[in-house]
Amino acid sequence: GAGVSQSPRYKVTKRGQDVALRCDPISGHVSLYWYRQALGQGPEFLTYFNYEAQQDKSGLPNDRFSAERPEGSISTLTIQRTEQRDSAMYRCASSARDNYEQYFGPGTRLTVT
Amino acid sequence: DAKTTQPNSMESNEEEPVHLPCNHSTISGTDYIHWYRQLPSQGPEYVIHGLTSNVNNRMASLAIAEDRKSSTLILHRATLRDAAVYYCILRAYGNKLVFGAGTILRVKS
Repeated sequence: GAGVSQSPRYKVTKRGQDVALRCDPISGHVSLYWYRQALGQGPEFLTYFNYEAQQDKSGLPNDRFSAERPEGSISTLTIQRTEQRDSAMYRCASSARDNYEQYFGPGTRLTVT
Repeated sequence: DAKTTQPNSMESNEEEPVHLPCNHSTISGTDYIHWYRQLPSQGPEYVIHGLTSNVNNRMASLAIAEDRKSSTLILHRATLRDAAVYYCILRAYGNKLVFGAGTILRVKS
């Protein structure tokens, strides 16, 4: 079946612009997670949802970052007023239920110039 | 979040078993031990997890020490496709995955 998909796969934006990254989880998966990964490091947790409810947003670095999952399926991670330090691979994962194994998408490579 | 300690890198010969160690001396009673791996240019992939007992699946085995302060991921016959970064993660029920630096596994033919 279809895995987790993310779009766009690559995004280049100028400093100060807003960006929206999309995640389409595996159909029927209850939990959805966002991570950020710098080159050569492990993924860093940002936030996660069960259905449409945001359960934990402790990893969002500041208030420029927000995420939503309004209908409990597709999720959008929005970064406002992007800065160069936001450049990274943004990864989405979903799991059938909380605490089950997570399936990761291919990621969106964000470059802020 | 409880911490794990893993070697930075390990090397193995193809078709030989590989034992990847992980120390987690501050593990709490509710922490599950999860292993994920990340192949080059891909997202992380679930490998196995356990709580107290040893676990086996089609990919690997997980051996958990009796005091739960350490565990070992066992790949029974390493192949070139197993070359990846392996992450040992402690996860309380329902909580996020906290990835460390992991162990880079190199497999020689």
